[in-house]
Amino acid sequence: GAGVSQTPSNKVTEKGKYVELRCDPISGHTALYWYRQSLGQGPEFLIYFQGTGAADDSGLPNDRFFAVRPEGSVSTLKIQRTERGDSAVYLCASSPSPPGGPNTGELFFGEGSRLTVL
Amino acid sequence: DAKTTQPNSMESNEEEPVHLPCNHSTISGTDYIHWYRQLPSQGPEYVIHGLTSNVNNRMASLAIAEDRKSSTLILHRATLRDAAVYYCILHGGHDMRFGAGTRLTVKP
Repeated sequence: GAGVSQTPSNKVTEKGKYVELRCDPISGHTALYWYRQSLGQGPEFLIYFQGTGAADDSGLPNDRFFAVRPEGSVSTLKIQRTERGDSAVYLCASSPSPPGGPNTGELFFGEGSRLTVL
Repeated sequence: DAKTTQPNSMESNEEEPVHLPCNHSTISGTDYIHWYRQLPSQGPEYVIHGLTSNVNNRMASLAIAEDRKSSTLILHRATLRDAAVYYCILHGGHDMRFGAGTRLTVKP
């Protein structure tokens, strides 16, 4: 597709369950970001990938959260033992170039995956 | 991390210009100033960015103070579709960290 695709668009789960959220970035984009957004707040940085490697995972709130990008394209955000406080919209963004260049930083966002933990 | 300060909300009338301010007094020499906006139920959308000089594109203009400690996003003629939350972000490394932004309301 032309844009960043995120699936599922909505996910309802029960407390304690395991959840996977998928992000399909724009083809050829090397940088990939995950954010989460709670109601009324700005997006909160979680993790940044450059290629296959997680270059910065300092935003992951705890060890229940993990993300992978094994082939440098699609990424999966994994949440173990979900808690009600994990309920939020999880946003993925990709960028065509590594940061620091002259066109640094234009991120292309998906529509997000809304996670509700009951 | 360098931080930005924006008003929580602003109002504008349709067809009038809008000036959205942002303070970033701790900006470093390599930080770019980025603006994104987020329409209801959508992901953020890139608007414009700059380093030192003022910038114009089809969506908006960015005016950067000479000392780079503040900037202003200018929408030349606000439309109802410009109602959104506008985020001002400093980007000097790999991460792009959002604040709470300014919620712009456009009145017909």
